[in-house]
Amino acid sequence: QKEVEQDPGPLSVPEGAIVSLNCTYSNSAFQYFMWYRQYSRKGPELLMYTYSSGNKEDGRFTAQVDKSSKYISLFIRDSQPSDSATYLCAIGETGANNLFFGTGTRLTVIP
Amino acid sequence: DAGVTQSPTHLIKTRGQQVTLRCSPKSGHDTVSWYQQALGQGPQFIFQYYEEEERQRGNFPDRFSGHQFPNYSSELNVNALLLGDSALYLCASRPGHSGNTIYFGEGSWLTVV
Repeated sequence: QKEVEQDPGPLSVPEGAIVSLNCTYSNSAFQYFMWYRQYSRKGPELLMYTYSSGNKEDGRFTAQVDKSSKYISLFIRDSQPSDSATYLCAIGETGANNLFFGTGTRLTVIP
Repeated sequence: DAGVTQSPTHLIKTRGQQVTLRCSPKSGHDTVSWYQQALGQGPQFIFQYYEEEERQRGNFPDRFSGHQFPNYSSELNVNALLLGDSALYLCASRPGHSGNTIYFGEGSWLTVV
């Protein structure tokens, strides 16, 4: 069983739609949860970072963590064509030196 | 403030050759990690360096080795290249040895032919 599972998509939505991206994980020891955005042929860019259950909001982005279900989500409101990218979830243990990444979900926002 | 910088950006090597990739961490960061990202996959952890020592290693063979210099920059070396080593190699840095917020460079694209 992989540490992190993520639906690879691809996902296409019209501009202005609400996007929901999800990951599940297997190990309850994981305490740190991140979302990265990766444009084609570029390095991943950190979007959101949280270490507790609940919601964290930053502009149009909301990260949600449910530790009881081992489920994390990223919501994008009022999606824009510039949001078209691959979104990677990443999870780490407390004090761990490595992150486990999902395979990434490829998102296209259609104008 | 420069972010994480990597070189070279692209390179092509022949099977069996050796390659060295370089990374300069973000200013103020002293911990460097290397990840391999195959096409269509998420990054996979190779190893991490802190205080010039390898602190943790992922599931990669000994053909993958590294080094960290006193100025915190780092190198990734891969010997006896295989076709399957073709990937984007990402360097990431963070401040201090604890915490998990890491910042990635743009990566080095390695093609093995």
